[in-house]
Amino acid sequence: DARVTQTPRHKVTEMGQEVTMRCQPILGHNTVFWYRQTMMQGLELLAYFRNRAPLDDSGMPKDRFSAEMPDATLATLKIQPSEPRDSAVYFCASGSLTGAERDQYFGPGTRLLVL
Amino acid sequence: QKEVEQDPGPLSVPEGAIVSLNCTYSNSAFQYFMWYRQYSRKGPELLMYTYSSGNKEDGRFTAQVDKSSKYISLFIRDSQPSDSATYLCAMRKGAQKLVFGQGTRLTINP
Repeated sequence: DARVTQTPRHKVTEMGQEVTMRCQPILGHNTVFWYRQTMMQGLELLAYFRNRAPLDDSGMPKDRFSAEMPDATLATLKIQPSEPRDSAVYFCASGSLTGAERDQYFGPGTRLLVL
Repeated sequence: QKEVEQDPGPLSVPEGAIVSLNCTYSNSAFQYFMWYRQYSRKGPELLMYTYSSGNKEDGRFTAQVDKSSKYISLFIRDSQPSDSATYLCAMRKGAQKLVFGQGTRLTINP
């Protein structure tokens, strides 16, 4: 049963600290998405990669957020320095936007609390 | 104004009722329309997928797309307590990124 995995599942940190979230996409999927979900804003797309190349990171605050995909099995989202307003659930999703499979499979999320 | 509008609810109905969830959108170029279901403290999972206009049925679930009105709907027949979740509509043009609605929180009362 192929699925997207995310670590850590929960993270509590203090303002100013660096936070790194990791995602392992489903093998064979060529597109990886990072989303942030809050009660107020709903699900917001932060960035996405296709074939490991960044395609769109316009939803991401550039001064503190960075997203990378060092290889096909790992995507990372980093916040440095973190702020209380970054508290949210961060989801990674992977998909294969070619052929018949045109949907995104979401991971379980990383629940981040910045104090 | 958001590209995709969805009433966040909450919506509460008795077990067995027919549920109607809706989204409107402004971008006429959208071609692919999805409904995701998200249980509490879980990631969204794809429930229904439709290309262009028309209806699609899967068990108790029916998705409708009316491109002329820029309006999509999800109907749940014979609703069950296990259907209690947040339902998010999403749509995109071609292989572009998905645009999500706010999500509607649904509770089915036994």
